[in-house]
Amino acid sequence: AQSVSQHNHHVILSEAASLELGCNYSYGGTVNLFWYVQYPGQHLQLLLKYFSGDPLVKGIKGFEAEFIKSKFSFNLRKPSVQWSDTAEYFCAVERARDTGFQKLVFGTGTRLLVSP
Amino acid sequence: DAGVIQSPRHEVTEMGQEVTLRCKPISGHDYLFWYRQTMMRGLELLIYFNNNVPIDDSGMPEDRFSAKMPNASFSTLKIQPSEPRDSAVYFCASKGRGANYGYTFGSGTRLTVV
Repeated sequence: AQSVSQHNHHVILSEAASLELGCNYSYGGTVNLFWYVQYPGQHLQLLLKYFSGDPLVKGIKGFEAEFIKSKFSFNLRKPSVQWSDTAEYFCAVERARDTGFQKLVFGTGTRLLVSP
Repeated sequence: DAGVIQSPRHEVTEMGQEVTLRCKPISGHDYLFWYRQTMMRGLELLIYFNNNVPIDDSGMPEDRFSAKMPNASFSTLKIQPSEPRDSAVYFCASKGRGANYGYTFGSGTRLTVV
């Protein structure tokens, strides 16, 4: 079965520190990749997505992610975090099927706390 | 576009009662998904529909759970009878095609079964 792994469950950073959150998936075929953010008490919002092309994807709020196919990874990065980035971050993978891409499978999430 | 609309936002019910959660997807999106989020299990896909037809309900935990999509603009997730372990946030999401490809999530329904 396909799985999505986020190895860091909790991350604590000071403002202006750099951020990298890991994401690995187990499926070897064609995939679409997503990062979502969930602020406290809110719904999931899309940060960025990768379908094809340049493996370095830029998203909203200064986030970016790099797809490394050989490592089955899609790590999220931000050079300088802000207190407002405190949230939970989810990596998600959509697998290609004969009938097209269908369901989205989420990782377990990483809770980021940024201290001012 | 108002996005994916879920109702109610919060629901508190007693064990054994029937609970119905509602979702209105984005117009033109032909996929609809129901997810459940808990601290212990994270985000779990319960069921999804394509063009109103259930495609994969393997994530539905028990026969107490049922979902319907009678038309392209409305879906329900029903729990009967409800149990305390059903307490969670239930998200609905819809997906579009082509230039609109991507998943959009609703604000969720926070269900508490006491």
